[in-house]
Amino acid sequence: DTGVSQNPRHKITKRGQNVTFRCDPISEHNRLYWYRQTLGQGPEFLTYFQNEAQLEKSRLLSDRFSAERPKGSFSTLEIQRTEQGDSAMYLCASSSQTGDTQETQYFGPGTRLLVL
Amino acid sequence: AQTVTQSQPEMSVQEAETVTLSCTYDTSENNYYLFWYKQPPSRQMILVIRQEAYKQQNATENRFSVNFQKAAKSFSLKISDSQLGDTAMYFCAFMKPRLHGMRFGAGTRLTVKP
Repeated sequence: DTGVSQNPRHKITKRGQNVTFRCDPISEHNRLYWYRQTLGQGPEFLTYFQNEAQLEKSRLLSDRFSAERPKGSFSTLEIQRTEQGDSAMYLCASSSQTGDTQETQYFGPGTRLLVL
Repeated sequence: AQTVTQSQPEMSVQEAETVTLSCTYDTSENNYYLFWYKQPPSRQMILVIRQEAYKQQNATENRFSVNFQKAAKSFSLKISDSQLGDTAMYFCAFMKPRLHGMRFGAGTRLTVKP
């Protein structure tokens, strides 16, 4: 399967615990994105990487959230001291850069987080 | 800030008929990108169709086409010959060039009835 993969697919945690999600983009894609989707809503942009550089962060990305993309390959999203409001689906997407053309973002299946 | 509005939370259509989903957006930009994504139940988001704002011609992908009205800031999706597999949430999304995060609407839940 050459699509975007995310692990784990589901995560249940207690409030106050830390969680980490992983995203493996399509292999030739140098751009990677994280979004959050709450029930009944559209995805909300969190952050964007081009290779290993984090170039854009949404105001939604509070200090408890940190994302990394070492070596420009897979990415991790960590949430520290989770709160019940963090319960959501966390989506990862990737795309490739071709000159100035904005390429299509391809989404992974998401990680569904439930904070008890 | 850019906002995307989908005014139809739910729609239904009979199999083989045509349905149009509405989307409006607000921006002061002249150049941007618009997308329709489909999210089937318990499955991942997939791109249906995209439109560059500088292109006057409406995008078409098989049974899917858009009506892009730049002055009205409207971007509707028309699905012809609806199929049961078209049942899904449909999201309209906006993106500015050089800023890569997409802004999504709240979605329209489409049900195709046999």
